[in-house]
Amino acid sequence: EAAVTQSPRNKVTVTGGNVTLSCRQTNSHNYMYWYRQDTGHGLRLIHYSYGAGNLQIGDVPDGYKATRTTQEDFFLLLELASPSQTSLYFCASSDGRGTGQLYFGEGSKLTVL
Amino acid sequence: GEKVEQHESTLSVREGDSAVINCTYTDTASSYFPWYKQEAGKSLHFVIDIRSNVDRKQSQRLTVLLDKKAKRFSLHITATQPEDSAIYFCAASDSGSWQLIFGSGTQLTVMP
Repeated sequence: EAAVTQSPRNKVTVTGGNVTLSCRQTNSHNYMYWYRQDTGHGLRLIHYSYGAGNLQIGDVPDGYKATRTTQEDFFLLLELASPSQTSLYFCASSDGRGTGQLYFGEGSKLTVL
Repeated sequence: GEKVEQHESTLSVREGDSAVINCTYTDTASSYFPWYKQEAGKSLHFVIDIRSNVDRKQSQRLTVLLDKKAKRFSLHITATQPEDSAIYFCAASDSGSWQLIFGSGTQLTVMP
């Protein structure tokens, strides 16, 4: 079974704070993704990557940076967090570019006060 | 880019009845349509998909239908069980970026 692990699972910060969400996959997948889930919007793609050092912009990238340091590790960075970034964040991996099954992590709940 | 609309935000059925969840998409060139399930408080996992070279795919109690002319696809669940209660997300691949665009989700409740 494919494995995607996220940390932290819960995070509370204040407006203007600095947050890093981490994701590690042990599937040997090339593609990794960061989504946010909000009621009424479903899942929206923030950033994705198809390999170490690569970064692609998703549909809602404003206010987020990301970095893929290795094939296994993908980080999402919020350098000046705002209340509008309060959300449930999911990391996922796949071995195909959009036509392969996504394997999701357990999610990271971020609250920005 | 692709847009996916999921028409039912909530759906309630009696145990043993069938459930149908409908989605429409905008990108004529989209070719891949998966469905994901999210149980309460949990992550998402893949349930079934269909590609544009077929118009029907079945896996046990799940069937996906694809109508390319109408740009519509649907998930049919027969003989529903309480463990089918979850949020179901449809998605379509954007033909430009090849990334999945998700619908807003349908909360399915199967009542005993």
